[in-house]
Formats: sequence, C-alpha cells, structure tokens
Amino acid sequence: DTAVSQTPKYLVTQMGNDKSIKCEQNLGHDTMYWYKQDSKKFLKIMFSYNNKELIINETVPNRFSPKSPDKAHLNLHINSLELGDSAVYFCASSRARTGAYEQYFGPGTRLTVT
Amino acid sequence: QKEVEQDPGPLSVPEGAIVSLNCTYSNSAFQYFMWYRQYSRKGPELLMYTYSSGNKEDGRFTAQVDKSSKYISLFIRDSQPSDSATYLCAMMVTSGSRLTFGEGTQLTVNP
Repeated sequence: DTAVSQTPKYLVTQMGNDKSIKCEQNLGHDTMYWYKQDSKKFLKIMFSYNNKELIINETVPNRFSPKSPDKAHLNLHINSLELGDSAVYFCASSRARTGAYEQYFGPGTRLTVT
Repeated sequence: QKEVEQDPGPLSVPEGAIVSLNCTYSNSAFQYFMWYRQYSRKGPELLMYTYSSGNKEDGRFTAQVDKSSKYISLFIRDSQPSDSATYLCAMMVTSGSRLTFGEGTQLTVNP
C-alpha cells in the first residue's frame, strides 16, 4: 500500500495552460504539505494544511492554489503555467503539526513546461 | 544568505569508507535537526532526527549537532553502494514550524 501517492507522476504542458496535481495519504495524518524541488535539488515548502486549514503559505505566486477537500487529500492547482514552474513537486504528510520533523513524502510529480 | 548551507558535492567514496556530510546554518533559533535521504527519482525519507545539541547513533549512522558553531554533521560508517543517494539536512525552530532544507549533498559509494 502506498502511503503518500501523487498523480500524475509526469506532466508535460505548454506555457499558459492550467494544470492540477493530486495528493492522497492513507496514513491517517493530520498535516499535509506541498514542496517544490528545483533542478539543483533545493527543496522549498510552498503550503501546509492541518486538518483542512491552511497553516503555512510561503511566498508563492497566487497562480498556485492549494485545496484540501479532506485531511487525506491535498491538491495543487496551477494557473497560467510559466517556464520557471518546471520542477518536481512533492506532497508530504506528518502525523500532526507538532510532528513536522518526520514527514512522509510522495514520489513526486515531474512538471515540465515548454 | 541562505538560512542553511550545504555543499552539494558530488561526493564519491569507495565502499567501506567513512563519510562525513555537513551543514551550517545562520538562524540560532533552530532547535530540531533532521537528515533526510533521497534516492534518485524518489521522495525524501527521514533518516535521523536530533533535538538540540549532541550526538545520536543509529546503526552505521551518527548525527551530530553543535549549536554553538551552528554546524551539524552526519557520519556514515562502512559505507555501502546502497547508501548512494542525496542527503538533505533540514531544520525547524519549533516542533510545529516549517522545515528548512539544505540543498542536499549527492553521495556515490563505489563498489
């Protein structure tokens, strides 16, 4: 059983398009995160939700909008995609907000914008 | 200046070598220190976690934190080819705050 899953694994799209990435965790965790990893492997947090409530919202263009329909799911919608959005996007979860040191990561979604 | 600095490598060692990976940081409020391991085309996974200063050992891995120097290390003894991965240090101010990652060190252990 996959603990944290993401779909799709690969996404190739053109500039200006709108796309969504979905994440699901079956660990019963309360807190979920979105990270962006650039080509230099630098991993940077974008958003975090705790029990469907947004608790971390880093300086990210407002073209990026997270949505958490329930505590097991966290989706990321990106409008008007730009070349600089090309990266690997990771979803992660932790047992609770106070257990954020131990995060379980999904396999990543490799986004390429052409 | 980045909050967390980590030499990206790449670092290449022979099998059986002792590996030392390091990070420095500028934010003295960091209290929680983690090492994550990331295999190629996979998500990171937690390897070691330390609160405040001191050493922690788990099998062939030892994590060391020196808060006075703002310096953390991960030592791998008797390194194996299966240890080949990118190692990311990460830090937090409080248990509920965000993780700040270093940029990762790419390690290759040659058989």
